Amino acid sequence: EVQLVESGGGLVQPGGSLRLSCAASGFTFSTYWMSWVRQAPGEGLVWVSQIKGDGRRTSDADTVKGRFTISRDNAKNTLYLQMNSLRAEDTALYYCATGGLPAAYDSWGQGTLVTVSS
Amino acid sequence: QSALTQPPSASGSPGQSVTISCTGTSSDVGGYNLVSWYQQHPGKAPKLMIYEVNKRPSGVPDRFSGSKSGNTASLTVFGLQAEDEADYYCSSYESSDTYVFGTGTKVTVL
Repeated sequence: EVQLVESGGGLVQPGGSLRLSCAASGFTFSTYWMSWVRQAPGEGLVWVSQIKGDGRRTSDADTVKGRFTISRDNAKNTLYLQMNSLRAEDTALYYCATGGLPAAYDSWGQGTLVTVSS
Repeated sequence: QSALTQPPSASGSPGQSVTISCTGTSSDVGGYNLVSWYQQHPGKAPKLMIYEVNKRPSGVPDRFSGSKSGNTASLTVFGLQAEDEADYYCSSYESSDTYVFGTGTKVTVL
């Protein structure tokens, strides 16, 4: 069974940094694209970043480009999101997601909450 | 990377059908057959209902059906049931390995 467990969320001041982690199990982690999707309180889903299985290809939403960095450690079956220069509008529940289907996420974590506030 | 446009709400009585639209552009919905749909109940993670416009993952009831015409994709739920009451989001591949979600639609079963 696929399991994705996010951690690392918390309260951070504007301009600060945070690193999220997503521990994966139940599938061959190194062969799957992995993504981060966020959801602000009471709002919709927003795609954030994606990384290829071997870590050699990444893509980001314009709103986080240059501030967030997605990475992975295939030896530890773990996905990361390094978030710098955080803004109030980055406040959201951050999900990691993956799937074996084209351009679709059939596995999601439970999310980790990031709050950016002074 | 503008969000795809969905109606804020839709509703139907049990047993009826409801259709949700998802409008994008030729750079996303219209340009690729890579539209997916997600169901999200309050406080829960999203669940994949449709991928590649009209394919259902294993375990998703055949009451859920997807289609696409031009820059607009649609999700139809036939034979509405109480448990179908949830938020629904579409998503599409854009380009250069990026994706965009829709604004979301709250479906109410009357």
